[in-house]
Amino acid sequence: QSVLTQPPSASGTPGQRVTISCSGSSSNIGSNTVNWFQQLPGTAPKLLIYGNTQRPSGVPDRFSGSKSGTSASLAISGLQSEDEADYYCAAWDDSLNVYVFGTGTKVTVL
Amino acid sequence: EVQLVESGGGLVQPGGSLRLSCAASGFTFSSHWMHWVRQAPGKGLEWVANIEQDGSEKYYVDSVKGRFTISRDNAKNSLYLQMNSLRAEDTAVYYCARAVGSSASWWGQGTLVTVSS
Repeated sequence: QSVLTQPPSASGTPGQRVTISCSGSSSNIGSNTVNWFQQLPGTAPKLLIYGNTQRPSGVPDRFSGSKSGTSASLAISGLQSEDEADYYCAAWDDSLNVYVFGTGTKVTVL
Repeated sequence: EVQLVESGGGLVQPGGSLRLSCAASGFTFSSHWMHWVRQAPGKGLEWVANIEQDGSEKYYVDSVKGRFTISRDNAKNSLYLQMNSLRAEDTAVYYCARAVGSSASWWGQGTLVTVSS
């Protein structure tokens, strides 16, 4: 049972902006940085955003992250067909002493 | 090039044991926290355990405490997960990952563990 809650699905047409929310608590998102991972169908997860807002080299600037209090968000602007994937937020939880992943959001490009 | 290659997965009966291995290359293995993360078929990601650079600190998710043991051999650039008393709910793809919570995050392709009679 995940302690980080995400909407199960999100969708948009090519070129649109899609936002995914991640709701946590004071012991995880409220105290630590948030990472976002992208998992394309049949592949391993890949780091998309680290430190709440930073993009690793190679990640398009269409992807952006933000955090406020105990919630975080991932935005995908200029949605493309290759963005169809599952997206997970994640953070360390100081109370549980575990790394927690979000429930995951499946993004569909219509 | 950074590579993490898992091995050791397979079919095991409930109550049995398996040892997963992860061979690392292309980076200084001893400089990073290492993790195991699993994904049950059709489900989301679940963090399993991690281990500090020198192996002195380890953390586990409650559901595997007392049954799984994470370890590493920095001389061999290898990470391990000893899994005992396996249950059907342990069936998953197990990923080896470097520094999950930082900019250095990198994941292997995973190895499938199936617990079934």
